[in-house]
Amino acid sequence: AQKVTQAQTEISVVEKEDVTLDCVYETRDTTYYLFWYKQPPSGELVFLIRRNSFDEQNEISGRYSWNFQKSTSSFNFTITASQVVDSAVYFCALSEGSLFNTDKLIFGTGTRLQVFP
Amino acid sequence: EPEVTQTPSHQVTQMGQEVILRCVPISNHLYFYWYRQILGQKVEFLVSFYNNEISEKSEIFDDQFSVERPDGSNFTLKIRSTKLEDSAMYFCASRTTGGLYEQYFGPGTRLTVT
Repeated sequence: AQKVTQAQTEISVVEKEDVTLDCVYETRDTTYYLFWYKQPPSGELVFLIRRNSFDEQNEISGRYSWNFQKSTSSFNFTITASQVVDSAVYFCALSEGSLFNTDKLIFGTGTRLQVFP
Repeated sequence: EPEVTQTPSHQVTQMGQEVILRCVPISNHLYFYWYRQILGQKVEFLVSFYNNEISEKSEIFDDQFSVERPDGSNFTLKIRSTKLEDSAMYFCASRTTGGLYEQYFGPGTRLTVT
């Protein structure tokens, strides 16, 4: 069955610390897509990144980086030198598609990140 | 930058009343979705819509729910007879065609059923 697990419910760090948010997924599909979304206190969902199952290259975007490892079914997200504005709930999500003709997003339960000054 | 918009931002209704939540997806997008998030919980898929018909719906999306694209721009979610447990944030999302590209979410409508 398809599932996304974010075991860290809440993380608190002090500004400038690095922090890694974990995401573990389960899927029946061989082709799938993984996403991270940010939900700031204002409530909207902001798209951060999409990765395809056939592309395991890690990605860096400014202070953000993502580590995708199919061998461990993980798609972890690291924020380097965290800032107060990074405080939000972060959701990892999975979308299957090749076998089951579905594109719905399956979300994890989210990790609340609090960055203190 | 184009964005998904939703109205109203907050809707308060009494149990048993009908509500319509409105969304304007990004203009060149053809796939539309509704999700909901009960306070403090994860985001849950409700329904997807393509080519003027539902392509998939979850167990949550029962006969009390319906979706419609009444014109070329709006996408609506109707709840016929609201229940207390329908209180949640409802998000509309849309994406472009071709592959499983990212879904862009609107700011959400907070529905409170009293």
